[in-house]
Amino acid sequence: AAGVIQSPRHLIKEKRETATLKCYPISRHDTVYWYQQGPGQDPQFLISFYEKMQSDKGSIPDRFSAQQFSDYHSELNMSSLELGDSALYFCASGERNTEAFFGQGTRLTVV
Amino acid sequence: GQNIDQPTEMTATEGAIVQINCTYQTSGFNGLFWYQQHAGEAPTFLSYNVLDGLEEKGRFSSFLSRSKGYSYLLLKELQMKDSASYLCAVLPGSARQLTFGSGTQLTVLP
Repeated sequence: AAGVIQSPRHLIKEKRETATLKCYPISRHDTVYWYQQGPGQDPQFLISFYEKMQSDKGSIPDRFSAQQFSDYHSELNMSSLELGDSALYFCASGERNTEAFFGQGTRLTVV
Repeated sequence: GQNIDQPTEMTATEGAIVQINCTYQTSGFNGLFWYQQHAGEAPTFLSYNVLDGLEEKGRFSSFLSRSKGYSYLLLKELQMKDSASYLCAVLPGSARQLTFGSGTQLTVLP
């Protein structure tokens, strides 16, 4: 079965630019999560969606927004990028209150 | 808030057994997960405990004591490919997203 698909795998942006990351969850999973992982750090929860509605919000900057579409794919929009936004961004999907399955991540580099 | 503690680093020898501990303090509890993560790759699900006791899955076992806020991941017959970061993650009662510990970097030596 296909896993969580993220695109792009790598992204290089300049400061103050905008980036959009996409996530295609596993079929029939009702929850999508976004995590940010800096070098040598644990994944930090950003935001989640349950049945296409925003469910929980973690340490997501106001410059970031996310949504989940009718086909269940999700997008993380990042504006006014800063050098500190350089990180691995993981999307995960799961069924409510069960384990999350992670995508391969998008490596964002802000220069 | 949520607090999850694990050792930062551990080293073990190929073929040996290693136990990685995790203690947690969370508001509510709906399960504890262990993930394996190789550098630059996505975390991979290893195990899930929601009731007290031991869950065995091949070379990997995970134990949970809810009253003590404690879990461990036991890796047997260590292989070089087991060198990775092991993340303990808790599903608190009030939220639906996993809260991760900082991870334990395991190095397996020949």
